Amino acid sequence: DAGITQSPRHKVTETGTPVTLRCHQTENHRYMYWYRQDPGHGLRLIHYSYGVKDTDKGEVSDGYSVSRSKTEDFLLTLESATSSQTSVYFCAISRQVKGYNEQFFGPGTRLTVL
Amino acid sequence: GQQLNQSPQSMFIQEGEDVSMNCTSSSIFNTWLWYKQDPGEGPVLLIALYKAGELTSNGRLTAQFGITRKDSFLNISASIPSDVGIYFCAGPFSGNTPLVFGKGTRLSVIA
Repeated sequence: DAGITQSPRHKVTETGTPVTLRCHQTENHRYMYWYRQDPGHGLRLIHYSYGVKDTDKGEVSDGYSVSRSKTEDFLLTLESATSSQTSVYFCAISRQVKGYNEQFFGPGTRLTVL
Repeated sequence: GQQLNQSPQSMFIQEGEDVSMNCTSSSIFNTWLWYKQDPGEGPVLLIALYKAGELTSNGRLTAQFGITRKDSFLNISASIPSDVGIYFCAGPFSGNTPLVFGKGTRLSVIA
């Protein structure tokens, strides 16, 4: 257990509405990540953060923004949700082991955009 | 983008059978990680490999880091119903870069 919680765990929203997902960690890890998981695509990186106010884009960042104002929280925002953003969203942290990062995942948020 | 290719995509096996799955890349990896995802849960790290040729076990699971550094294998011996889930391989292309994941192998165990 890497002390990661995600909220909400489930959300249904309508197209065009803003949505914010929260990831909270209790172990002061520097690196945090947001992934989405869709059938046939596995896990795809949306954005990640390497410190407070330090973020970078991942493979599928279009339509998403992130913020990290404190170490323990990493927020993912959909400014105007679309049906293609219906997915399961996972937050992760990484721990450095032997010079490489091992990632540990939260329980996920299931988002449905109608 | 860079990809990891996992095979098979899915497997149906009888309880008690051994299972083998693999992951390949066109690029060299310095670390290979294997995760398992149960339905409705986040992926959980099973095994991490750090050296080419390394063979590491975790209970009934054994994983190997290929000599070429472009592949890895995961074996499960004497499968049981709780082995059901999706198995992912992953790796970073360098020390601090985010992980790249394969698309997963979905394992079903028939009792």
